[in-house]
Amino acid sequence: EADIYQTPRYLVIGTGKKITLECSQTMGHDKMYWYQQDPGMELHLIHYSYGVNSTEKGDLSSESTVSRIRTEHFPLTLESARPSHTSQYLCASSRTTPRKENTEAFFGQGTRLTVV
Amino acid sequence: GNSVTQMEGPVTLSEEAFLTINCTYTATGYPSLFWYVQYPGEGLQLLLKATKADDKGSNKGFEATYRKETTSFHLEKGSVQVSDSAVYFCALEGYNFNKFYFGSGTKLNVKP
Repeated sequence: EADIYQTPRYLVIGTGKKITLECSQTMGHDKMYWYQQDPGMELHLIHYSYGVNSTEKGDLSSESTVSRIRTEHFPLTLESARPSHTSQYLCASSRTTPRKENTEAFFGQGTRLTVV
Repeated sequence: GNSVTQMEGPVTLSEEAFLTINCTYTATGYPSLFWYVQYPGEGLQLLLKATKADDKGSNKGFEATYRKETTSFHLEKGSVQVSDSAVYFCALEGYNFNKFYFGSGTKLNVKP
């Protein structure tokens, strides 16, 4: 059972506001990811982390920033929201394991962000 | 580099029809391969996986075989149900456990 949580599930916010999307996992996973999912369903990796104090930008350029101060927590922040940021944001985590049979990415339920 | 290509949708089938969703990949080394499913308004859930060549992953009547010679991992089900309607994603994890790479997703609609 996946123990990864995202809040809020839905957020409608005005242009220019600062927002933080929360993601927490209780599985002790070292790696965490943020994906942006467009209406055509495709997933775009925007940020990932290999562990505490490690963050990297993903394949899709994003104006958002992330932090990883604690293993279980990987929040995503937009300093000034714009309508172009309207999307579904999915957080995921996985564990580095010497046994490939145990590898898997677990996903949260997502945050649907609408910027008006 | 690593990438995943899967067939475009939507795929529309009648209940009890046979399903195939094609997936091919490009990767260095020996990646692990996955199929994830996403129901409306939800995150992705693991459907099945295979971690080495010729492995067959299976779950809930779905199957996929890791074919290294054709770099493919096609998803199949012998008899689909209306409840199988969802978006299906093929994915790989890089050999050095760096990142997960996802295909563009295939929407499946099953009609009664």
